[in-house]
Amino acid sequence: SQELEQSPQSLIVQEGKNLTINCTSSKTLYGLYWYKQKYGEGLIFLMMLQKGGEEKSHEKITAKLDEKKQQSSLHITASQPSHAGIYLCGGRTNDYKLSFGAGTTVTVRA
Amino acid sequence: ETGVTQTPRHLVMGMTNKKSLKCEQHLGHNAMYWYKQSAKKPLELMFVYSLEERVENNSVPSRFSPECPNSSHLFLHLHTLQPEDSALYLCASSQAASGRGGRTDTQYFGPGTRLTVL
Repeated sequence: SQELEQSPQSLIVQEGKNLTINCTSSKTLYGLYWYKQKYGEGLIFLMMLQKGGEEKSHEKITAKLDEKKQQSSLHITASQPSHAGIYLCGGRTNDYKLSFGAGTTVTVRA
Repeated sequence: ETGVTQTPRHLVMGMTNKKSLKCEQHLGHNAMYWYKQSAKKPLELMFVYSLEERVENNSVPSRFSPECPNSSHLFLHLHTLQPEDSALYLCASSQAASGRGGRTDTQYFGPGTRLTVL
């Protein structure tokens, strides 16, 4: 089955600094989803990318999907305490089933 | 109430108990899902329902029994669970079921039920 690798597993960033999370698939992705999760709670949908080279932004969060549609990055600019949480990528391959990465835990220090 | 709701939010049960988890979606979606999230592991898809019909069962033990009486409600009946079944159980919904018709619909998640089996 398809596997999504997320890196790093966790990161600590100073408030106001930028951070980047990566998500890599061994297969071509036909839909790439980014979610945010507070510990012990549900997933909040952030963005979906479908086309190679696509880039979307919402407030200070930008997500990109590479041209080969096998790698995505999530970039947060000038991080704030509200950005703390677990970020998960989910991806669909040719069978359109949705698989998830293990998540990246983000800690923002004041 | 909006989005996807789940009850109870927390559940502690013994191995011989029978309990049920409830999920309700208010988004007018046709597909609903049960996921299991264990510590340090990716989300595991358990069941998929499309228009009240079960379309996927990912080799889940029979001690987990899903029920979908209509497109807005989904239950997960639990009996004779094991301690390793302790996890966060998440419900999700989407306009159409994944893997059907090539759709790439976004799944929206509920807050989850934290289950502890003693």
